Amino acid sequence: GQQVMQIPQYQHVQEGEDFTTYCNSSTTLSNIQWYKQRPGGHPVFLIQLVKSGEVKKQKRLTFQFGEAKKNSSLHITATQTTDVGTYFCAGVGSARQLTFGSGTQLTVLP
Amino acid sequence: DAGVIQSPRHEVTEMGQEVTLRCKPISGHNSLFWYRQTMMRGLELLIYFNNNVPIDDSGMPEDRFSAKMPNASFSTLKIQPSEPRDSAVYFCASSSTIGELFFGEGSRLTVL
Repeated sequence: GQQVMQIPQYQHVQEGEDFTTYCNSSTTLSNIQWYKQRPGGHPVFLIQLVKSGEVKKQKRLTFQFGEAKKNSSLHITATQTTDVGTYFCAGVGSARQLTFGSGTQLTVLP
Repeated sequence: DAGVIQSPRHEVTEMGQEVTLRCKPISGHNSLFWYRQTMMRGLELLIYFNNNVPIDDSGMPEDRFSAKMPNASFSTLKIQPSEPRDSAVYFCASSSTIGELFFGEGSRLTVL
């Protein structure tokens, strides 16, 4: 079945440093979504990417979808303490099923 | 809209007891998902419904778990009998299509 791998599992950064999490699918995706879960909270939708090679930005967050539609990344520029949480990618495959990655837990040290 | 509403928010029970978790999806959404989250296994899809019909229940751990969606505005996830390894946060989510998922705040289950 479809598998979505996400790395790294954990990331500690100093406030102001950049952060990137990577997502790889075993199969070609129709689209990919990103979610953020604050500690003790629930996943909250950030963005959806649909097109091959697509790049979208939300303030300090940059999302990319690979040319082959099998990988994606989320990059945060100049992290802030409010960026703390776990970032999940979720891929939609040919069977229209959404599969979540294992998440990257981001800690931002002040 | 109030968003996806789950109850109870916290449940502590003893092994062997029946547990029922409830979910009210966002009005107008036709897909509903039940997820389980643990440190060890992350976010696992248990089952999802489309137009109140179960589409994929391959993630349901075993016969002790059952889920129903009697109408478009209500779903339940039942565990009977419960076991300590069922301790987790159970999330319900809804969506209008395979678009963004809107998650409830979760039900934290502890089975002693």
